[in-house]
Amino acid sequence: DVVLTQSPLSLPVTLGQPASISCRSTQSLVYGDGNTFLSWFQQRPGQSPRRLINKVSNRDSGVPDRFSGSGSGTDFTLKISRVEAEDVGVYYCMQHTHWPHTFGGGTKVEIK
Amino acid sequence: EVQLVDSGGGLVQPGGSLRLSCAASGFAFSISWMHWIRQAPGKGLEWVAHINPDGSRRYYVDSIKGRFAVSRDNAKNSLHLEMNSLRADDTAVYYCTGDGGVYWGQGTLVTVSS
Repeated sequence: DVVLTQSPLSLPVTLGQPASISCRSTQSLVYGDGNTFLSWFQQRPGQSPRRLINKVSNRDSGVPDRFSGSGSGTDFTLKISRVEAEDVGVYYCMQHTHWPHTFGGGTKVEIK
Repeated sequence: EVQLVDSGGGLVQPGGSLRLSCAASGFAFSISWMHWIRQAPGKGLEWVAHINPDGSRRYYVDSIKGRFAVSRDNAKNSLHLEMNSLRADDTAVYYCTGDGGVYWGQGTLVTVSS
């Protein structure tokens, strides 16, 4: 199975400051058709997850533009340009290039 | 408005069975891949199963193969997860999701305990 390793596990951030989360895969996530099926999800406390980014860098509808995704192959990054209070929660990367689809272990973003 | 409403969870003894359901509305259910994802208490997310739009292809994570079965009824916009031979490590909130994780239900808690 593909293992996704996220770092850091915990990310204390000052309001208005940037944040960055890394996701590294044990295998290339490039599919045969050239697409890379790597997504990012946000889970606020007590809520269902919400997809933020699909195919590495495409923001889903309604997602603020302070969220951005980048990367290729096996290394990916989620960036928040200026953290707001509503961004507190756990962030997960997820791959659906290979079966079984797998999630990273999560990164908890909190306000300092 | 898109809605996925998960139901059917509860407390069950080890070895028992449950049937989870997900009622979908507000999007093109019949042409959407649908998925079940679970989250054990205080833990991360685990992709459990998914099913293609016409129900002809189903995929399961190894830990549930032979015990769980995913199905759908496109006429009723519903998704199901039949869970048998339940074990303590199946205890989790189970979420129905659609279209690669764009849409999520509120989750239904399954507790396997004697």
